[in-house]
Amino acid sequence: QQPVQSPQAVILREGEDAVINCSSSKALYSVHWYRQKHGEAPVFLMILLKGGEQKGHDKISASFNEKKQQSSLYLTASQLSYSGTYFCGTDSNDYKLSFGAGTTVTVRA
Amino acid sequence: DADVTQTPRNRITKTGKRIMLECSQTKGHDRMYWYRQDPGLGLRLIYYSFDVKDINKGEISDGYSVSRQAQAKFSLSLESAIPNQTALYFCATSDSRAGGNQPQHFGDGTRLSIL
Repeated sequence: QQPVQSPQAVILREGEDAVINCSSSKALYSVHWYRQKHGEAPVFLMILLKGGEQKGHDKISASFNEKKQQSSLYLTASQLSYSGTYFCGTDSNDYKLSFGAGTTVTVRA
Repeated sequence: DADVTQTPRNRITKTGKRIMLECSQTKGHDRMYWYRQDPGLGLRLIYYSFDVKDINKGEISDGYSVSRQAQAKFSLSLESAIPNQTALYFCATSDSRAGGNQPQHFGDGTRLSIL
């Protein structure tokens, strides 16, 4: 079962913040986040493991609450380069991922 | 990521034809995956393989088959293509040696259109 991502799309001005949520109906071992630019392959951003850790990648960070089976991706002080579609991939400790439908982020000057 | 190469990059074909999409990697990874991407549906897993002798069905394997010819090569076949298999197909790899579920590295994709 695919995790549910929200929102489906968000439009930001440079410098604004956004949160993308990912929710699963299954128990999770880890959550992956990827970004895909138009016409390109998805690129790995970060993995979050059980334990509720928070990670960062430049000004993009994420959290994972395994009890709620949810993860959130935080875009802080967004830059034009943050535009793209963000996917969460959920792992139930079987070494494969179920991806959400994606959240399209558009950052405008 | 040039370390994961998919061929062809684009293919247009007719209903009923047999098609093979190829994926090769120079990363030395043991795990390989095939996904299809449709607008609004994200990436859906078709098949995956954890080594040459291990092949597993994913969420949407009907109408597809795969072959792991070597650790570096993983091919996806559509035995008799139908229009609703028109999609963008991605191959991905990951490395089990570091333990756990490691990042997946994607090829540039194959855009397949079936008329």
